[in-house]
Amino acid sequence: AQTVTQSQPEMSVQEAETVTLSCTYDTSESNYYLFWYKQPPSRQMILVIRQEAYKQQNATENRFSVNFQKAAKSFSLKISDSQLGDTAMYFCASNAGGTSYGKLTFGQGTILTVHP
Amino acid sequence: SQTIHQWPATLVQPVGSPLSLECTVEGTSNPNLYWYRQAAGRGLQLLFYSVGIGQISSEVPQNLSASRPQDRQFILSSKKLLLSDSGFYLCAWSALRNTDTQYFGPGTRLTVL
Repeated sequence: AQTVTQSQPEMSVQEAETVTLSCTYDTSESNYYLFWYKQPPSRQMILVIRQEAYKQQNATENRFSVNFQKAAKSFSLKISDSQLGDTAMYFCASNAGGTSYGKLTFGQGTILTVHP
Repeated sequence: SQTIHQWPATLVQPVGSPLSLECTVEGTSNPNLYWYRQAAGRGLQLLFYSVGIGQISSEVPQNLSASRPQDRQFILSSKKLLLSDSGFYLCAWSALRNTDTQYFGPGTRLTVL
């Protein structure tokens, strides 16, 4: 079984600054995937970034990057140059790859507010 | 490109009434399909998933059921709604040959009174 923990219920940041959201996970799988999803007030779940566990290089998508520490089972999300549109709830999630049919386990989410 | 639809967007139903939520995917074939529930604006709980027509796996015992009558159609149902069925229901799909990434629909907000 997999577990995902987000220890920060709420975070805030000033526009144009950098913020890091934390996530830890636990899994017995050797091949798994990690994700960050964004849920704005519209409640649409939007994929922000994904990381394949067998890849050591940290994933990057424009202003979003991750710090993947496999031994520590840590997967944090860094948002650079924060924008007002980044205000949303952010979910960390994991799955065990093809053997689990892609079933996702989610953390409880972190509400991020970007202030002007 | 692939698109996922859900309807209705919002639903208010009395306790004891039936439920049918529909999810359809366009632009792909043989997707894996998933139903999640999000209560109180927090984490998502996987309810059902399907890897093919007529193939449904349930993750938690509950008052709900799911069906997949067509390749790209996934339906969530209940014969008699409970108050505890209220929540935000999300459908998602992933490519059969690449089950690592799921893409979500816009969701249905269900209120049971």
